[in-house]
Amino acid sequence: QVQLQESGPRLVRPSQTLSLTCTVSGDSIRSGDHFWGWFRQSPAKGLEWMGNIYHSGSTNYKPSLKSRLVMSVDTSKNQFSLRLTSVTAADTAVYYCARDKSVYDSNGLLDYWGPGMMVTVSS
Amino acid sequence: VLTQSPLSVPVALGQPASISCNSSQSLVYTDGNTYLNWLQQRPGLSPRRLIYKVSKRDSGVPDRFSGSGSVTDFTLKISRVEAEDVGVYYCVQGTQWPLITFGQGTRLEIK
Repeated sequence: QVQLQESGPRLVRPSQTLSLTCTVSGDSIRSGDHFWGWFRQSPAKGLEWMGNIYHSGSTNYKPSLKSRLVMSVDTSKNQFSLRLTSVTAADTAVYYCARDKSVYDSNGLLDYWGPGMMVTVSS
Repeated sequence: VLTQSPLSVPVALGQPASISCNSSQSLVYTDGNTYLNWLQQRPGLSPRRLIYKVSKRDSGVPDRFSGSGSVTDFTLKISRVEAEDVGVYYCVQGTQWPLITFGQGTRLEIK
């Protein structure tokens, strides 16, 4: 069974950088079978795709976040990470990591999600 | 843009429920597939995929859930609502991947 788990600070100061890591078990990022994604959910914006990353480090970002967002991958730890810079209160949300899209199986899109992590931006 | 309706659906136990999702563009991809999924989010939990490619049920999803539709108009139906179905339902498209987008969500509550 594929499982994902988000981790990182739950409180971030305004103008600072939000950093989260997703640890995957039950699947191998290195296999290259899937892209791995970050999502967030807030009352104001609902569910929002932020971006995804492949085992090679290739990324896709939501255009409106591209200037502030960096994703990275560590295949040795089976983890991928997110860094969002210059955060404001508008970045307060529940952040989810998920198995984004399968490269080889057209059925594989958003089939596994982490439990989510509430991150608050506040001084 | 994915537009769901209604945004809230009160349903009595054992009664059917229907949620619509309309896309502003065709969701038929160049490979002939339509990448429209339905997610369920129970209170306090993360989203769970119920339906993929319009009408295919995920493993473990009760057969009272069904998806239908084509091109721009899609529907999620629950034949007989049970208490465990309470939550928010989202349609999500992957046809324009990597730009995945979600509907606003429809809250299902028991009347």
